[in-house]
Formats: sequence, C-alpha cells, structure tokens
Amino acid sequence: EVQLVESGGGLVQRGGSLTLSCSASGFNFDIFPMNWVRQTPGKGPEWVASISHSGSDTHYEDSLKGRFTISRDNARSSVYLQMNNLREEDTSVYFCVRSIVATAAVYFDHWGQGALVTVS
Amino acid sequence: FTLTQPHSVSESPGKTVTISCTRSSGSIASTYVQWYQQRPGYSPKIVIFEDDQRPSGVPDRFSGSIDTSSNSASLTISGLRTEDEADYYCQSYDSTNPYVFGGGTKVTVL
Repeated sequence: EVQLVESGGGLVQRGGSLTLSCSASGFNFDIFPMNWVRQTPGKGPEWVASISHSGSDTHYEDSLKGRFTISRDNARSSVYLQMNNLREEDTSVYFCVRSIVATAAVYFDHWGQGALVTVS
Repeated sequence: FTLTQPHSVSESPGKTVTISCTRSSGSIASTYVQWYQQRPGYSPKIVIFEDDQRPSGVPDRFSGSIDTSSNSASLTISGLRTEDEADYYCQSYDSTNPYVFGGGTKVTVL
C-alpha cells in the first residue's frame, strides 16, 4: 500500500523557517516524481513545488521561488520542503503528493494526510 | 489562466449531477483536465484523468468530458450516493503553469 507521511508542521513566527519531511513507503520511491501541494481551508489546492525522480530537476510556483526549496533523499525514500522567510499567507495544510505520467498528462495519484503550517 | 467552478450543487440520491469547469484563456482541449474528489477531513483523490479516463477502483458512475464550444470540462456523477458528498476540484496545466486547480464545487446529496 502506498503511504506518504508528512511531518515537521507547526507554528512558526513570521519571517521564520520550517522544513517539512515526507516519508514514503509501499512503492519504488526512486522512480516517481514527487510534489508538495498546499491547501488553505475552504479553498482549492495550490501546487507548490515538484522534483524529478532523480532530484536533478525542480520546479516551483513562481511566487515561491527563492523562499521554498524541494529536495529528496532516495536512499531514505523521503522528500523535503524547506520554507524560509515565512509569511502569514503561507499558513496552510501542506500535502506530500506522488505524481504519475499517464498517456500525456501528469497527475497526482497519491496524497499524504497533510501537515499544518501556521505562520503568525 | 484560471479554472472556474460553481460553488455548490445539490441533488437527491440516485440522481445525476454535472459539475462544470470553465477555462478563462486558451482552449480547454489544448491540455488535459483532471478531477479530484475530497471528502470532508480527507486528502484529495483522483477520480478522472486526461479528460475522461477513470483510474482503477473509481466507479463508472463518474465520467468526464470536455466541450470546446463553452471552453469547459465537466464531471458527471450518476446514481448519486451519500458517499459522493464531497468537494470536487478540476485541474489542468499549460506551458508556464504545470498545475492549475479550480476553486472547487461542493456536492451535497440531499
């Protein structure tokens, strides 16, 4: 069974830093791209960042470039999101998400339970 | 571009509901549309990918389509059940925005 378990969420002061971790199990982690997606209650999900299966390629939502960094450790089947200079608008539930390539589209096929980050 | 969905729809058990997702710019047919279901307190779950494809395990009561005349995609749920009560989000992409989500539609089963 595919499992994605986030950790590291919590309360942080404005301007502070936080690193989220996601531990994966139940699949060959090193062949799948991974992502972070966040969601504020009552709103739609918002893609944050993606990393290729090898870790050599990363992509970010434009407004987050320079503050957020995604990385992975295939030996530990883990993906991380380092968040710096946090703002109140970064308050959200952050999901670790696996993506899969269909015929032509890439979609999110497994989501973690989410980690709440509160910036005040 | 943005994806606009109705805020909510409601229908009785056994009936059919259709949720629209309208693309603001660019053709709806230019890139595929996905649909995610999010039950209260749970993470999103894929129900339709590539406009009209169902992942294994998703009942055939769920179907997807696109309409180029209205530049929109639709998710149809037939034979509505209480377990279908959830928020539904459409998602697509373009060359500069890899993942764009709609604002979501709350489906209420009366």
